[in-house]
Amino acid sequence: EVQLVESGGGLVQPGGSLRLSCAASGFTFSNYNMNWVRQAPGKGLEWVSYITSSSNVIYYADSVKGRFTISRDNAKNSLYLQMNSLRDEDTALYYCARDSSDGYFFENWGQGTLVTVSS
Amino acid sequence: QSVLTQPPSASGTPGQRVTISCSGSSSNIRSNYVYWYQQLPETAPKLLIYRNNQRPSGVPDRFSGSKSGTSASLAISGLRSEDEADYYCAAWDDSLSGRVFGGGTKLTVL
Repeated sequence: EVQLVESGGGLVQPGGSLRLSCAASGFTFSNYNMNWVRQAPGKGLEWVSYITSSSNVIYYADSVKGRFTISRDNAKNSLYLQMNSLRDEDTALYYCARDSSDGYFFENWGQGTLVTVSS
Repeated sequence: QSVLTQPPSASGTPGQRVTISCSGSSSNIRSNYVYWYQQLPETAPKLLIYRNNQRPSGVPDRFSGSKSGTSASLAISGLRSEDEADYYCAAWDDSLSGRVFGGGTKLTVL
């Protein structure tokens, strides 16, 4: 069974940093492209970032470009999101989402980790 | 303001057929696949439709997707109370070089 478990969320002040992790199990992590998607409280879904299985292609949403960095460690079956210069509007539940082996979007999702940016 | 436009709400009675629209542009829906997700209250989203009209295994055939030009639609037939959820469309956007979601549609089963 595919399992994606996010961690690392919490309360951080504006301008601060946080590193999210996503532990993957139940599949060969190194074969799959991965994403981060977020959802602000009471709001819709927003795609944040994408990374290919070998980390050779990376994309970011304009809203986080230059502040967030996606990475992965295939040996540790883990996906990461380094978030710097955090703003109030980054407050959200952050989901880790796996694409399918055929490349279609967000086949599997974790349960999310909550990031709150507030002074 | 989402790149893909969905109605904020939709409703229907049990057994009815409901459609949810998703409007985009030539840089996203017209030239790329459309995906649909269902998010039940307090849960993570679930893939409902991929590549415009394909259902993952386990998704009932009451759910169907279609695309025409710069718009796409999700149809739910034989509406059931457990279909009450938020529904989101998504696509790749060539201009943004990124994935985009619709703002979501809250479906109420009356």
